[in-house]
Amino acid sequence: DGGITQSPKYLFRKEGQNVTLSCEQNLNHDAMYWYRQDPGQGLRLIYYSQIVNDFQKGDIAEGYSVSREKKESFPLTVTSAQKNPTAFYLCASSPTTYNSPLHFGNGTRLTVT
Amino acid sequence: QQQVKQSPQSLIVQKGGISIINCAYENTAFDYFPWYQQFPGKGPALLIAIRPDVSEKKEGRFTISFNKSAKQFSLHIMDSQPGDSATYFCAALLENQFYFGTGTSLTVIP
Repeated sequence: DGGITQSPKYLFRKEGQNVTLSCEQNLNHDAMYWYRQDPGQGLRLIYYSQIVNDFQKGDIAEGYSVSREKKESFPLTVTSAQKNPTAFYLCASSPTTYNSPLHFGNGTRLTVT
Repeated sequence: QQQVKQSPQSLIVQKGGISIINCAYENTAFDYFPWYQQFPGKGPALLIAIRPDVSEKKEGRFTISFNKSAKQFSLHIMDSQPGDSATYFCAALLENQFYFGTGTSLTVIP
């Protein structure tokens, strides 16, 4: 089955530690995205990538970093500079053809204490 | 600045009733409007989508109505069922970036 796999589902970290969230897709999509979801705020874009080795900042990129070394993989690192990292993180992908929808993974819930 | 405004924030409907969720946008360059359904602990899943050159699209019990002049679009869920209880997000696409509404939590009472 084609899809997007995010791991782990739950992640707990101490404040001051960097943490990396995994996202893998086997849909052969060119574009990949990271969103953050907080109650009552919808989905906010952190980073996106249209092609391997290239990515752009979204609306809330501060305190996050990404890499895109392979088409299938788009890991997100939440750094210690992110002031409020506890949230539900969603990875998505889409083909870059006209008017194509996003396909989402099932998310990683990160709790930082 | 919220590019897509969604209302209501929450909605309670009796089984068999019609659920209506509304979204409004300002940027007339948006060219694709999907709706997503999200269950707790899961990622959003595409429900139905529409282009601005179409005024209505129906798929089963789900209908999108699109009013280009008013810059509004809405999701109608006919014969709402308890299994439809979820959070719904509208979105708009511009140049490979999606802009999402803040979501509507729908509860369908048996």
